[in-house]
Amino acid sequence: AQKITQTQPGMFVQEKEAVTLDCTYDTSDPSYGLFWYKQPSSGEMIFLIYQGSYDQQNATEGRYSLNFQKARKSANLVISASQLGDSAMYFCAMREGTGNQFYFGTGTSLTVIP
Amino acid sequence: DGGITQSPKYLFRKEGQNVTLSCEQNLNHDAMYWYRQDPGQGLRLIYYSQIVNDFQKGDIAEGYSVSREKKESFPLTVTSAQKNPTAFYLCASRAWAGGREQFFGPGTRLTVL
Repeated sequence: AQKITQTQPGMFVQEKEAVTLDCTYDTSDPSYGLFWYKQPSSGEMIFLIYQGSYDQQNATEGRYSLNFQKARKSANLVISASQLGDSAMYFCAMREGTGNQFYFGTGTSLTVIP
Repeated sequence: DGGITQSPKYLFRKEGQNVTLSCEQNLNHDAMYWYRQDPGQGLRLIYYSQIVNDFQKGDIAEGYSVSREKKESFPLTVTSAQKNPTAFYLCASRAWAGGREQFFGPGTRLTVL
């Protein structure tokens, strides 16, 4: 089974609007971390936000927030007030417990329309 | 500035040749990783290393080899045994104690002619 599933290959959003990128995960480990990365056309992966499985609050970093629904095993990324520079690929990832390996989804391509 | 460098940015090789991709970090991170990215797919782990002189295979290690002789360096060799080596290769590092997220280099795009 896939550890991380991103079901939206491509998304469009109007500039200044909010957008939600979906991510579901699969693990039986009670301790895990969830990550979102942005990959612009240049190729480099940029870390955006982290959510730990024991964190009580949803993570927020500036215009990025993570809608963490533990029972549903979902960790959706919300980008508020979209900007043209947000156009990129977005990847959800997970690390289980104290393991070394990170599992990545297939990504969502976001296009911000002026 | 602390960070991860990968060289070269673009690399071309003839079929049947081995090629080595460079990855250097000055973040004093213990763990280093190599990923392969193909169009429409996420990142797939090739190899990772927790400490100097130690490394483990990832999900797609066949046809690749690595070394970790220094903490700062984790070169990846793509051998002629790798059947479809054309891809984008990303190197990452992470602090071992208390390290959370991975930090990535700019990537190397390898094309086999």
